[in-house]
Amino acid sequence: DQQVKQNSPSLSVQEGRISILNCDYTNSMFDYFLWYKKYPAEGPTFLISISSIKDKNEDGRFTVFLNKSAKHLSLHIVPSQPGDSAVYFCAALESSNTGKLIFGQGTTLQVKP
Amino acid sequence: DTAVSQTPKYLVTQMGNDKSIKCEQNLGHDTMYWYKQDSKKFLKIMFSYNNKELIINETVPNRFSPKSPDKAHLNLHINSLELGDSAVYFCASSQGGNFYQPQHFGDGTRLSIL
Repeated sequence: DQQVKQNSPSLSVQEGRISILNCDYTNSMFDYFLWYKKYPAEGPTFLISISSIKDKNEDGRFTVFLNKSAKHLSLHIVPSQPGDSAVYFCAALESSNTGKLIFGQGTTLQVKP
Repeated sequence: DTAVSQTPKYLVTQMGNDKSIKCEQNLGHDTMYWYKQDSKKFLKIMFSYNNKELIINETVPNRFSPKSPDKAHLNLHINSLELGDSAVYFCASSQGGNFYQPQHFGDGTRLSIL
């Protein structure tokens, strides 16, 4: 049973516009979430995270929003750039004792010039 | 300088063989992980070691055996390879003691079983 879901396999946006990637989770005990970005033939690289005590975290062009009541988080990229084209994974920390992460299945973002 | 490095990057072998994948990190982290990304692109944790002690051992066939000779290395040995073992295997590391820190991933080892 998947505890972290990214229901959109792909997203295409125009350069300069906003990209919004969504992620849903089922376990209300999750208290820390991360977004990773992955280029082909490379490993995932950490992008941004958010603790459940916050509802927003911003880092440059990237902002993550957390809606605990809806068990939903989203990653906003503004403005989108062609170099942002990659697979984006949402992850939740299942255990702060072991570091076990539960990943979503990823969303492929294509930013068109 | 590569932070988390895995070797080999590609591994093509026959069913029934035994193979190993090596992982090394130079970040000074004390926790290391192995993940499997299957054909559906799911990234799933397999094992984790903290200071050479096994702390995560997911439901993985016992043909898979991790070995951590020291904090900077976590190798994965796979016996009697099967077709279903074809996947990309990622190694990662993080600073233990505070798991609210991101994990750093290697570039993966693509294992193909013929």
